[in-house]
Amino acid sequence: KNEVEQSPQNLTAQEGEFITINCSYSVGISALHWLQQHPGGGIVSLFMLSSGKKKHGRLIATINIQEKHSSLHITASHPRDSAVYICAVRSGPDRGSTLGRLYFGRGTQLTVWP
Amino acid sequence: NAGVMQNPRHLVRRRGQEARLRCSPMKGHSHVYWYRQLPEEGLKFMVYLQKENIIDESGMPKERFSAEFPKEGPSILRIQQVVRGDSAAYFCASSLGGTGPYEQYFGPGTRLTVT
Repeated sequence: KNEVEQSPQNLTAQEGEFITINCSYSVGISALHWLQQHPGGGIVSLFMLSSGKKKHGRLIATINIQEKHSSLHITASHPRDSAVYICAVRSGPDRGSTLGRLYFGRGTQLTVWP
Repeated sequence: NAGVMQNPRHLVRRRGQEARLRCSPMKGHSHVYWYRQLPEEGLKFMVYLQKENIIDESGMPKERFSAEFPKEGPSILRIQQVVRGDSAAYFCASSLGGTGPYEQYFGPGTRLTVT
């Protein structure tokens, strides 16, 4: 079983819709990252968070440490938001020598139609 | 302030050849991570290095793969005697520190194709 599970795997939305992508993890973590990857492109870090909530423009990320769950929300979605969104967790104190490495979810392919 | 640089961006090798992938971290960063993304799969950790030290190589295949991060110059991921299954995108990331709330910044990746 993967340490990080994302849902849904694929998501299609109409422009303007509110989007939610979920991430659950099973390991102790020191931080959680949300990443964005465009086709053929590199990886951009959207958020790094270890508690609470962060907002950047139309993007909002939340994390519940007790429930080991995070969500990424996109308000007023736009076709340029179409990309793969990846949840990644940075291993925490209970992983010993693997401190710092990231464990990745499989990604959520988001397509926003105009 | 340049970001993480990787070269080459695309690399084609025949089976049995060697592949060398380079990663120059962001200025001031001394921690480098290598990740591999196989076709239709998620990213997987390979190795974590600090200058002149391998901190964690638990994700590296036992044979043919090696990594270094010398005191001067870029980090190098080396794949000897490549096979078709090595075809993937290889990303490196750098950070200021290994533990604690340090952001990892990703390079654009090197897409390796083995023919």
